[in-house]
Amino acid sequence: DADVTQTPRNRITKTGKRIMLECSQTKGHDRMYWYRQDPGLGLRLIYYSFDVKDINKGEISDGYSVSRQAQAKFSLSLESAIPNQTALYFCATSDLTNTGELFFGEGSRLTVL
Amino acid sequence: AQSVTQPDIHITVSEGASLELRCNYSYGATPYLFWYVQSPGQGLQLLLKYFSGDTLVQGIKGFEAEFKRSQSSFNLRKPSVHWSDAAEYFCAVGARTGGFKTIFGAGTRLFVKA
Repeated sequence: DADVTQTPRNRITKTGKRIMLECSQTKGHDRMYWYRQDPGLGLRLIYYSFDVKDINKGEISDGYSVSRQAQAKFSLSLESAIPNQTALYFCATSDLTNTGELFFGEGSRLTVL
Repeated sequence: AQSVTQPDIHITVSEGASLELRCNYSYGATPYLFWYVQSPGQGLQLLLKYFSGDTLVQGIKGFEAEFKRSQSSFNLRKPSVHWSDAAEYFCAVGARTGGFKTIFGAGTRLFVKA
């Protein structure tokens, strides 16, 4: 089983719908992240969390919210999806040693029609 | 603010040829530097990283990268490319202070021709 698991892997939805992407990890890491990948833009940070009580906005948090339900779970919500949120979303984790290596899930591809 | 530039959107090399992928970064101090690889349909996997010390770092799958402070560069190299190296490669820079956030370049897609 993967250390960082994302569900769903693929989702097609309509404009205005609420969507939740879930991430769970078995690495025991305290730090979790949500990134968005768009062609030609690389990965951009949406939100990050350094522990259950610590949630921080990244560079593109507008239109998104997150919940850190437990050390191992970090979910990303789109309250009212819009077409320009069509992208590949990645969850990642890192440990407290501050070396910064990220461990990624396999991604969730979201299409908003 | 930190930033990363990968000047080449895509590169095509012949199998067995050498490879160099370029990366330039902007950061006020000595950064943490990374190269990740993304195979189709997969998440990103760390190839190698630089924190300090020897400026030539070795990674997995036969890759290496050299940190050049004077050029603000961290180019990725491989002496002989295999068809399985076809993927997208991301250079990234991490800040050492103020929490840990990693900024990624736009990526370079590598095509390998027989």
